[in-house]
Amino acid sequence: QQQVKQSPQSLIVQKGGISIINCAYENTAFDYFPWYQQFPGKGPALLIAIRPDVSEKKEGRFTISFNKSAKQFSLHIMDSQPGDSATYFCAASESDNYQLIWGAGTKLIIKP
Amino acid sequence: NAGVMQNPRHLVRRRGQEARLRCSPMKGHSHVYWYRQLPEEGLKFMVYLQKENIIDESGMPKERFSAEFPKEGPSILRIQQVVRGDSAAYFCASSQGTGAYNEQFFGPGTRLTVL
Repeated sequence: QQQVKQSPQSLIVQKGGISIINCAYENTAFDYFPWYQQFPGKGPALLIAIRPDVSEKKEGRFTISFNKSAKQFSLHIMDSQPGDSATYFCAASESDNYQLIWGAGTKLIIKP
Repeated sequence: NAGVMQNPRHLVRRRGQEARLRCSPMKGHSHVYWYRQLPEEGLKFMVYLQKENIIDESGMPKERFSAEFPKEGPSILRIQQVVRGDSAAYFCASSQGTGAYNEQFFGPGTRLTVL
């Protein structure tokens, strides 16, 4: 119930394309869903986050889509660039809980 | 304003030795979290500390692992009598407040290799 399942494990996208990473959860008490970006040798950094009162949140080229009934959320990266090449992690938690439950990560490679 | 600092960045230990990992939170942050990341996996919560107090150590192995956040100085994650299975990246994060909506800022991690 505490798991967050992330797919795909790795993804190769051409420059300018759309990168899509999916996550699914079981715990209906989760109400905070962040995405983190991690470059090699660095710690994760918060990219964008959503709460379940909205179905979509957009920040620049990054969009989170949230489907509460399906218990799924996804990250879309529009006009993907080589600088977006990194590992992306989804996570989830209850709003009053500091414990983030992490997905296993997606290694994204953007080909020039 | 420096971010979360961790040292050392890389640590090599032989089986049975002790590993000490240090974390200095961001200025103004009094909440510290330690996570472990195994290859090809997400981060796993280990422990949450505030100054001089362990708030939640539910993710930390009961034996050989301990953590502290003294009144002065960095937070320390200590692993005694290391085994090969302890090889991982250990990340520290800090936040200004607690709860999910208080962003956790992560350090660059310490990569522990046990020979």
